[in-house]
Amino acid sequence: ELKVEQNPLFLSMQEGKNYTIYCNYSTTSDRLYWYRQDPGKSLESLFVLLSNGAVKQEGRLMASLDTKARLSTLHITAAVHDLSATYFCAVGNRDDKIIFGKGTRLHILP
Amino acid sequence: GAVVSQHPSWVICKSGTSVKIECRSLDFQATTMFWYRQFPKQSLMLMATSNEGSKATYEQGVEKDKFLINHASLTLSTLTVTSAHPEDSSFYICSARDFFSSYNSPLHFGNGTRLTVT
Repeated sequence: ELKVEQNPLFLSMQEGKNYTIYCNYSTTSDRLYWYRQDPGKSLESLFVLLSNGAVKQEGRLMASLDTKARLSTLHITAAVHDLSATYFCAVGNRDDKIIFGKGTRLHILP
Repeated sequence: GAVVSQHPSWVICKSGTSVKIECRSLDFQATTMFWYRQFPKQSLMLMATSNEGSKATYEQGVEKDKFLINHASLTLSTLTVTSAHPEDSSFYICSARDFFSSYNSPLHFGNGTRLTVT
């Protein structure tokens, strides 16, 4: 059974600082997703990572994937308040289901 | 970009009544749609996979007689919460993948339905 674990689950950080969110998963997968969710809203797709060593960047966010370690990271560079949200990683399994981690609530202090 | 419309966005109903939630893919065809449930400040839990023209596949622990899913066309799936109880109160989100997109493409999510059962 595929399990997805994220850490930390909650992160409070100052603007301008850098930090990394980690996502581990338990079984082999060929696709990993990062989503953002604002309070009371649905999910916005950030990144799709499909191969070992994949790295994608959008603005202050950068995601990477190590399939051998079954680990993905979401790195935040020089955080700004607008990045405050909950970030989910999700992994696709063999049955085409996408399983979500518990999410990381990110709170960026001005 | 691909748009998934979910309706209603919120609903309040009395215990014992049924509520239908619609999920439509507006500009693409989706043979498969997924229904998730999210409790406050928690993750998304996959409830069922909705397949166009066939029966839905439910996750373990999800009552298929309580959460009726119908996927009658390539652009519409519905979730009906039957005989709702307060513990069914939650945020329900549907998602879909464009049939003509890659298997690896991201899911497109609806805006969710907040169900409150009194």
